[in-house]
Amino acid sequence: GENVEQHPSTLSVQEGDSAVIKCTYSDSASNYFPWYKQELGKRPQLIIDIRSNVGEKKDQRIAVTLNKTAKHFSLHITETQPEDSAVYFCAAINNDMRFGAGTRLTVKP
Amino acid sequence: GAGVSQSPRYKVAKRGQDVALRCDPISGHVSLFWYQQALGQGPEFLTYFQNEAQLDKSGLPSDRFFAERPEGSVSTLKIQRTQQEDSAVYLCASSSGQGIYEQYFGPGTRLTVT
Repeated sequence: GENVEQHPSTLSVQEGDSAVIKCTYSDSASNYFPWYKQELGKRPQLIIDIRSNVGEKKDQRIAVTLNKTAKHFSLHITETQPEDSAVYFCAAINNDMRFGAGTRLTVKP
Repeated sequence: GAGVSQSPRYKVAKRGQDVALRCDPISGHVSLFWYQQALGQGPEFLTYFQNEAQLDKSGLPSDRFFAERPEGSVSTLKIQRTQQEDSAVYLCASSSGQGIYEQYFGPGTRLTVT
């Protein structure tokens, strides 16, 4: 089955800086890669996703890149704000659904 | 419109008790998923329904776990003879299509087994 590794486990940045979170996956058949943001005690919220037929997708300050050859994908947040502070989860999905262990992002004002 | 809702939000059970957790998906959503999230971890897949059909239950940890969606809308996750290791947040998600894309999560049920 699929195995997803996510790095780093914690990330602290200064407000206005960029943050990058990386995930690798093992199943080359995985074709859908969502990213979720989860604030403490809240539900995971889908913030961006990418399918295997594109290499990059952008939505305002958030972008995701996918390298299918290397089997890794990354979340990029630019101009970070304190409200971006949360735990971020990646996932790689085919028939088997696997989430990474999460990255706790702290944006310091 | 209304999102995915789950009830109860919190459940405390004594070891050995049976519990039932409810999920109301977004209206019209075909696919429904259950996940278990331990503290500090990502969601772990339990089971997946497309309408009333349970297409994948490979993630259910034991035969004490049972899920159903008899009319293709509301779903119930039942855990029999609860044990301490069942303590976790149980998340439900739904998606509009017949696949596993764009899943929207409910707030979860936090189960504590004492």
